[in-house]
Amino acid sequence: SQTIHQWPATLVQPVGSPLSLECTVEGTSNPNLYWYRQAAGRGLQLLFYSVGIGQISSEVPQNLSASRPQDRQFILSSKKLLLSDSGFYLCAWSITPNTEAFFGQGTRLTVV
Amino acid sequence: QKEVEQNSGPLSVPEGAIASLNCTYSDRGSQSFFWYRQYSGKSPELIMSIYSNGDKEDGRFTAQLNKASQYVSLLIRDSQPSDSATYLCAVNKGRGSTLGRLYFGRGTQLTVWP
Repeated sequence: SQTIHQWPATLVQPVGSPLSLECTVEGTSNPNLYWYRQAAGRGLQLLFYSVGIGQISSEVPQNLSASRPQDRQFILSSKKLLLSDSGFYLCAWSITPNTEAFFGQGTRLTVV
Repeated sequence: QKEVEQNSGPLSVPEGAIASLNCTYSDRGSQSFFWYRQYSGKSPELIMSIYSNGDKEDGRFTAQLNKASQYVSLLIRDSQPSDSATYLCAVNKGRGSTLGRLYFGRGTQLTVWP
């Protein structure tokens, strides 16, 4: 069966520090991968999605970037965090671009 | 115009009642539709997927899709206190340059009281 791993679960970072969140999927090949952010009391905002290695679409221009160095690995990065980057970051995968997505456990990021 | 809009909450129903959650979407070409449940502090979990017009039932849950009206709904029968959560509607555009983009509504908070 397929599983998704996302870490760390919680993170407290100072303003201006870099960020790297990692997500890996097991048990499937060439998954569709997503990064979402959920600010407190808000809905899920699509940040990036990828249909394959080297194919990453950015949904909203911002202080973040994403990379997919391997088929089942998706990384969210920032060079300098802002206070507004705080939130609940969620990685998700789907078998095809048109089917349901399954979420990791999320990373709660607090920028101080 | 937002991609996905949900009826404003919160919604409060007594145990055993039917809870009705609604969602509209903006892109008429959208192909697939989902309902997720999210407990406080947790990640969303999939409840239902629906791809064609009509009703789809799974246990106490029924999803309804009307593509002509660009409307999706979720009915929860015999609501239980454990159903208390935020329910998220998600829509996948699924075509052309937007293939794979899965958008979520802001969610409707449901409380089922004993």
